[in-house]
Amino acid sequence: DVKVTQSSRYLVKRTGEKVFLECVQDMDHENMFWYRQDPGLGLRLIYFSYDVKMKEKGDIPEGYSVSREKKERFSLILESASTNQTSMYLCASRTRKTQYNEQFFGPGTRLTVL
Amino acid sequence: GDSVTQMEGPVTLSEEACLTINCTYTATGYPSLFWYVQYPGEGLQLLLKATKADDKGSNKGFEATYRKETTSFHLEKGSVQVSDSAVYFCALKMDTGRRALTFGSGTRLQVQP
Repeated sequence: DVKVTQSSRYLVKRTGEKVFLECVQDMDHENMFWYRQDPGLGLRLIYFSYDVKMKEKGDIPEGYSVSREKKERFSLILESASTNQTSMYLCASRTRKTQYNEQFFGPGTRLTVL
Repeated sequence: GDSVTQMEGPVTLSEEACLTINCTYTATGYPSLFWYVQYPGEGLQLLLKATKADDKGSNKGFEATYRKETTSFHLEKGSVQVSDSAVYFCALKMDTGRRALTFGSGTRLQVQP
């Protein structure tokens, strides 16, 4: 059974804190993604990694960075959390071996920044 | 750029009613189209997909047909159940260039017994 796991379901942090969100997939997928989900806005891409140590900015990268040191793990980092980063964060992975393959999503981390 | 527009929700239906959730897209080429579903407290799951014009995707009683002439991919089900209550997202992916999905804003469906 394919699996994408995220380190926390709920997280509460204070403004200015450094925040790490972790994502692990067990499918040997090359591609991994971080999305942010907000009501009325759908999912917006923050960062994408197409392989180990490779990354690309998505649509809303400001205030975020990422790390992909191992193939199975993709971390999202909020260098200095702000209240406007309160949101649901979803990780996904995908193999690049076929053209029309689906993305597999984790359960999400709901982050609240106070 | 590419974009997806979905009807706003919430959509509230009684059990066994017919469902249509509208989805239209704007793209510079010929995308693959997807419907994802998010049940309460869970991540997104692929519901169905279509990769070329006139393809019909189907799964769990849901269907959607890729209409190039109207740039649409409407989700339909003939008889909804309470267990179908969820948020539904329409998405597209181009064959080249951007490797991530472009999502619509999502439509919440509530089915009452």
